[in-house]
Amino acid sequence: QLQLQESAPGLVKTSETLSLTCTVSGGFINTRSYFWGWIRQTPGKGLEWIGNVHFSGNTYYNPSLRSRVTLSMDTSKNQFFLNLRSVTASDTATYYCARRTSEPSFDSWGQGALVTVSS
Amino acid sequence: QSMLTQPPSVSAAPGQKVTISCSGSPSNIGNFYVSWYQQLPGTAPKLLIYDNDKRPSGISDRFSASKSGSSATLAITGLQTGDEAEYYCGTWDTSLNGGVFGGGTKLTVL
Repeated sequence: QLQLQESAPGLVKTSETLSLTCTVSGGFINTRSYFWGWIRQTPGKGLEWIGNVHFSGNTYYNPSLRSRVTLSMDTSKNQFFLNLRSVTASDTATYYCARRTSEPSFDSWGQGALVTVSS
Repeated sequence: QSMLTQPPSVSAAPGQKVTISCSGSPSNIGNFYVSWYQQLPGTAPKLLIYDNDKRPSGISDRFSASKSGSSATLAITGLQTGDEAEYYCGTWDTSLNGGVFGGGTKLTVL
């Protein structure tokens, strides 16, 4: 049973960098078959795709966030990461990590991590 | 403003059928598979439908979906109070070169 678990600081100061880790268990991230993605959801709002990363090094980013986002992986730890720079209050959200299939769909999700940006 | 348009809310009585629409464009739904997600209150989204109309293992056959052109529809039959949730459609978009989701539809079972 694949499981994904986000870890995040909870509170980040305005203009700093938000860093999240997704730890995957029950499967390996160094597989050609899947991408690994991040999605966020602002309070009371819908889902926003942030980006996907593949163990080959390929990454895809939402154009609205591309200038501030970096996705990466550590296959030795079976983890992948999100760094979001220069955050503002509008980046306050629940951040989900998920596995993306080729079709594409997100077939496994973490439980989510609420991150609040405040000065 | 989402690239995929869903009605904000739908409602129906227990036992009835409800449909949720998802309207897109040729750059997204028109050229890619659609997936649907169910988000129960306080939980993460869960994959309900993939490849337009396929159910993952463990998903009830009360949930079905279809796609036509640049639009997709999710149908839920035999409504139960436990189906009350937010439902999202999702796909890929070539102009964005990324994933897109609908704005979500809140289902109320009266």
